[in-house]
Amino acid sequence: NAGVTQTPKFQVLKTGQSMTLQCAQDMNHEYMSWYRQDPGMGLRLIHYSVGAGITDQGEVPNGYNVSRSTTEDFPLRLLSAAPSQTSVYFCASSFRFSGELFFGEGSRLTVL
Amino acid sequence: AQSVSQHNHHVILSEAASLELGCNYSYGGTVNLFWYVQYPGQHLQLLLKYFSGDPLVKGIKGFEAEFIKSKFSFNLRKPSVQWSDTAEYFCAVSGLMEYGNKLVFGAGTILRVKS
Repeated sequence: NAGVTQTPKFQVLKTGQSMTLQCAQDMNHEYMSWYRQDPGMGLRLIHYSVGAGITDQGEVPNGYNVSRSTTEDFPLRLLSAAPSQTSVYFCASSFRFSGELFFGEGSRLTVL
Repeated sequence: AQSVSQHNHHVILSEAASLELGCNYSYGGTVNLFWYVQYPGQHLQLLLKYFSGDPLVKGIKGFEAEFIKSKFSFNLRKPSVQWSDTAEYFCAVSGLMEYGNKLVFGAGTILRVKS
């Protein structure tokens, strides 16, 4: 099993550009989520999904879109990148939500 | 208001020193409590968890945490740290009634162990 796979690992964008961070898991997990990690602020939940076709907002959803068309994939879209979105992004999943999450290796995004 | 508070942002210890990292949460209902660890350059992994039962829980690598409901606390301890414990530690809480299907993290504590 590969676990939770995130791509790309590093990305540099210019302000206003769009991109998609990919997240895939091969553990048949129903619950998937996206966090951003910023120094001194811990991890903050962006969006989450409890199953295919179901998504909901977390603490900091503005500027981000998600969709969940399959159980395996949960992409995070930045429609118009801003410097404030410079961060490390983590995808995490679990079979059913309890708080015990399996994390991907992270995607470091820099917006110039 | 911060739902999960970690008392120290940076801790520096010498090898063999004892460790205690504080964590307090603000919700008075039923919660599940977690400590996650992030070693340098790696992703987060679960260190230990509390769902119910014995309030003293043991995790990997000699870590333990005690849930004190009256103090809304879940402090992490280790009797003798090693250089390899250098990492960032995150306390997190989930609770269906208060947070729904969300895991809320504290700001993290960076631990540096000097060899």
